[in-house]
Amino acid sequence: GESVGLHLPTLSVQEGDNSIINCAYSNSASDYFIWYKQESGKGPQFIIDIRSNMDKRQGQRVTVLLNKTVKHLSLQIAATQPGDSAVYFCAELYGNNRLAFGKGNQVVVIP
Amino acid sequence: DAGVIQSPRHEVTEMGQEVTLRCKPISGHNSLFWYRQTMMRGLELLIYFNNNVPIDDSGMPEDRFSAKMPNASFSTLKIQPSEPRDSAVYFCASSPSGEKAFFGQGTRLTVV
Repeated sequence: GESVGLHLPTLSVQEGDNSIINCAYSNSASDYFIWYKQESGKGPQFIIDIRSNMDKRQGQRVTVLLNKTVKHLSLQIAATQPGDSAVYFCAELYGNNRLAFGKGNQVVVIP
Repeated sequence: DAGVIQSPRHEVTEMGQEVTLRCKPISGHNSLFWYRQTMMRGLELLIYFNNNVPIDDSGMPEDRFSAKMPNASFSTLKIQPSEPRDSAVYFCASSPSGEKAFFGQGTRLTVV
């Protein structure tokens, strides 16, 4: 699969437990953020997005939290399943519609 | 919808050869992006088109790289001449609004 960085932070989580993936973004002017999931051999897949006028948004089994004060984004996955094993990227949108991606976090679900 | 379609999925070429990567965006999307993914640098935006017009190509590494979008349903990324350091996975993505981008499956390029 696609590798993203020599030393990806890795979260190992037991199946059924909740996962929390964290991301720090760099540009305080960014007003739109996305979480992507990338499975081995595939392209990044959109999970959930949030605008800067919100601090929380929920989807199916996922919740994104935004803390603009400390420029921090997190993705919570409820009842983690084996199919959630992947690399997760946060991305921020800034000037001229550029999506800047973080380095990624590897999630490994233990059955 | 079939999603963003990229071809080829894999390309192995010799240093110095020309390589052309192809992308068909999702119908109706007016923004198209080319990204490169490597171990060392992660996902990097190379170029961004809006309504077939290149808006931002500041990520294109050097003159050996060029991208075109002759119509709303087709784009190419060309590397001429290719070098081993160009080896990476190249993704095309499209968006209806310039925000939420949908990615293709990528082209894994190996230059030997």
